[in-house]
Amino acid sequence: GEDVEQSLFLSVREGDSSVINCTYTDSSSTYLYWYKQEPGAGLQLLTYIFSNMDMKQDQRLTVLLNKKDKHLSLRIADTQTGDSAIYFCAESTGGFKTIFGAGTRLFVKA
Amino acid sequence: DTAVSQTPKYLVTQMGNDKSIKCEQNLGHDTMYWYKQDSKKFLKIMFSYNNKELIINETVPNRFSPKSPDKAHLNLHINSLELGDSAVYFCASSQAPGLAGGREETQYFGPGTRLLVL
Repeated sequence: GEDVEQSLFLSVREGDSSVINCTYTDSSSTYLYWYKQEPGAGLQLLTYIFSNMDMKQDQRLTVLLNKKDKHLSLRIADTQTGDSAIYFCAESTGGFKTIFGAGTRLFVKA
Repeated sequence: DTAVSQTPKYLVTQMGNDKSIKCEQNLGHDTMYWYKQDSKKFLKIMFSYNNKELIINETVPNRFSPKSPDKAHLNLHINSLELGDSAVYFCASSQAPGLAGGREETQYFGPGTRLLVL
């Protein structure tokens, strides 16, 4: 079945890099997403990667996709306190259903 | 301009009551969703509608009944509320899935409705 797994917590110091990892099970996944949820708010798309890509960079964000291992990661360079939030990994197979992971809570210490 | 809006933002009610949550999107999207996020922040899809038609119903109790009067609205009515229904309910919308390019499948979330059943 479809499943997306992520570690629940990550703590880093301000200025360090954060790496949030995710594994998924559906090999037919077409798109993989990273969403960010700040306290009291809905989810907002951070970035996405198409399954035929290995890497995507967008300013401080780098997404790496290892399709063979079904592993996705999000690296945030120069992490700031404003990056503290829950980060959700999600996969879609091009249908009407997007499967979300449980979310990784990123704590940034000043 | 708010893209996906939900009302009410907070809802506190007694067990056994019936309540509705409304959702509207002004993005011109074809597909709308309801998600439930529990206290541990796990996000589970409940329903998906495409062009006013029900596409996904993820084994949600019959007490939950979605209604889509038009493509821009998806409301959620809950009968006989139970303690376990306490959660944050998020509405989302997206363009029709299956098109080329990940952006078209990006889901835009509303701010959430915090439901507390006493």
